[in-house]
Amino acid sequence: EAEVAQSPRYKITEKSQAVAFWCDPISGHATLYWYRQILGQGPELLVQFQDESVVDDSQLPKDRFSAERLKGVDSTLKIQPAELGDSAMYLCASSQELGQPQHFGDGTRLSIL
Amino acid sequence: QQQVKQSPQSLIVQKGGISIINCAYENTAFDYFPWYQQFPGKGPALLIAIRPDVSEKKEGRFTISFNKSAKQFSLHIMDSQPGDSATYFCAAESGGSNYKLTFGKGTLLTVNP
Repeated sequence: EAEVAQSPRYKITEKSQAVAFWCDPISGHATLYWYRQILGQGPELLVQFQDESVVDDSQLPKDRFSAERLKGVDSTLKIQPAELGDSAMYLCASSQELGQPQHFGDGTRLSIL
Repeated sequence: QQQVKQSPQSLIVQKGGISIINCAYENTAFDYFPWYQQFPGKGPALLIAIRPDVSEKKEGRFTISFNKSAKQFSLHIMDSQPGDSATYFCAAESGGSNYKLTFGKGTLLTVNP
């Protein structure tokens, strides 16, 4: 079964540093999502793409977070500068189209020291 | 404001027993209700989902019961097995909000052998 690929699996960095996460959705999936999951909580949507266009970034802290999906395939989420409160699991999901079931990758576990 | 409330926070069941997890929602525009299963270190995996035009959906040992008037839905796991031990998340989605998934806080299920 096709999977959503994410890298790295783990990232440890110091506060004030820059960090980036990469996601490769299931082939042919037009919609891509980035979620943040704090330990013991459900995932919360940060940003949603339809092809290369942002559909919803209302929950993305735009002063430090940025996301792009330049060719409408893979995507990068960046944090600069990282803060202690950014420690969490960052999950990527994709769906064939808007409104179709979302399939998640295994995430990047970020720890800020 | 928490739009999807999930209970209990944790649940311990004996092998062969029935596990029941409940969710309630506020937004009547929600029209898709999936359940996700998440193992430690993994991303959430879609388990089963329902739309409000039916009151029950069954797939193998997993059943969703849906009460539209009460704005509640629940997951029943029949003949629970130790391999079912995981965190379960309910979620809700509305086409009017760009098909954004809103998750509950999760239920940690432990099935004892």
